Amino acid sequence: DADVTQTPRNRITKTGKRIMLECSQTKGHDRMYWYRQDPGLGLRLIYYSFDVKDINKGEISDGYSVSRQAQAKFSLSLESAIPNQTALYFCATSDPGAGTDTQYFGPGTRLTVL
Amino acid sequence: RKEVEQDPGPFNVPEGATVAFNCTYSNSASQSFFWYRQDCRKEPKLLMSVYSSGNEDGRFTAQLNRASQYISLLIRDSKLSDSATYLCVVTPLGTSGTYKYIFGTGTRLKVLA
Repeated sequence: DADVTQTPRNRITKTGKRIMLECSQTKGHDRMYWYRQDPGLGLRLIYYSFDVKDINKGEISDGYSVSRQAQAKFSLSLESAIPNQTALYFCATSDPGAGTDTQYFGPGTRLTVL
Repeated sequence: RKEVEQDPGPFNVPEGATVAFNCTYSNSASQSFFWYRQDCRKEPKLLMSVYSSGNEDGRFTAQLNRASQYISLLIRDSKLSDSATYLCVVTPLGTSGTYKYIFGTGTRLKVLA
């Protein structure tokens, strides 16, 4: 089984709808991240969480919110989806105690907002 | 100027060729460096960390040049399975800064039979 899983893997929704993307991990890592990837752009950080009580905005948090329900679960919500939120979304985890704080990514969620 | 820049490619090379990619970064205080591999529409996967002394993993060699602010990836004896996009990642200096990955847009490699 994959260490970092994301659901759904693909989602098509309409403008104005609320949508939640979920991420779960079995790696036991404290740190979790949400990124989006757009063609021609590098991955950009939306939100990150160092533990259940520590949630921080990344460089492009507007229009998004997150919830860290447990060490293993980190959800990303789009309260009112808009077309320019169409992108590939990745969740990642890391463990700073491992030295390099290497990030491990989930398989991604492809979101289309019509 | 972008914080991390890569030639987008594509680099089209025949099987067995040697190919090298460079990645430049703008923040001279950057702390950690990585190469990730990303297959089409899949998640990025760590290929290798880049150490100051340079490091090698099989056919892959990574180098860091702090003076000129670039890292490089050399792939020897290219295989068809090496076809992918290679992402350069840099992290800033700071006690908690290692979490902050700054990604390049990636260099696409196509290995041709």
